[in-house]
Amino acid sequence: DSGVTQTPKHLITATGQRVTLRCSPRSGDLSVYWYQQSLDQGLQFLIQYYNGEERAKGNILERFSAQQFPDLHSELNLSSLELGDSALYFCASSVSPRYEQYFGPGTRLTVT
Amino acid sequence: DAKTTQPTSMDCAEGRAANLPCNHSTISGNEYVYWYRQIHSQGPQYIIHGLKNNETNEMASLIITEDRKSSTLILPHATLRDTAVYYCIVKRDSGNTPLVFGKGTRLSVIA
Repeated sequence: DSGVTQTPKHLITATGQRVTLRCSPRSGDLSVYWYQQSLDQGLQFLIQYYNGEERAKGNILERFSAQQFPDLHSELNLSSLELGDSALYFCASSVSPRYEQYFGPGTRLTVT
Repeated sequence: DAKTTQPTSMDCAEGRAANLPCNHSTISGNEYVYWYRQIHSQGPQYIIHGLKNNETNEMASLIITEDRKSSTLILPHATLRDTAVYYCIVKRDSGNTPLVFGKGTRLSVIA
């Protein structure tokens, strides 16, 4: 158990819908990261936050957005969902961007 | 960040040492070598990282060559639970650089 929690574990929704994935970092960690893992693309970095501020962006679609709240939990919002958005979404956290990241168990999103 | 090259797959007998190689010939002086693994579809698990000295922790040892162009992750006594995909990642430790995962090495530990 890494100490990072993600909810929900599984999510099934229809195309065009919007969902919110939630992540609680390890106690004391200020950095949160989101990754997407699909069968054809592998593990890809989406976005990074540090103490509430966006610090780095990867291949995140404009339909996707994220934020980190004052209590340091983070949410990833996915809208106008397409079949290709079906994937595992992982959240990771670290004490700061200079330190190793610890990953949560992931949310499996299925878009039908 | 420098790219890494790893074998696609490896087998290891249970109880033997598993030695996973990684080439990173374009690594820069301020880049670290990180190892993560992913068991089935679980979240990736941090294993170890190093800059130029060899490192050891409770999970594994990391051997980095003197020219830093390659490294080896050693699992001293592999068990069936070590079957996973192992990722070698080179990353600047200066803050806002993400982990870039390649395809990794699929290690199968065989009874």
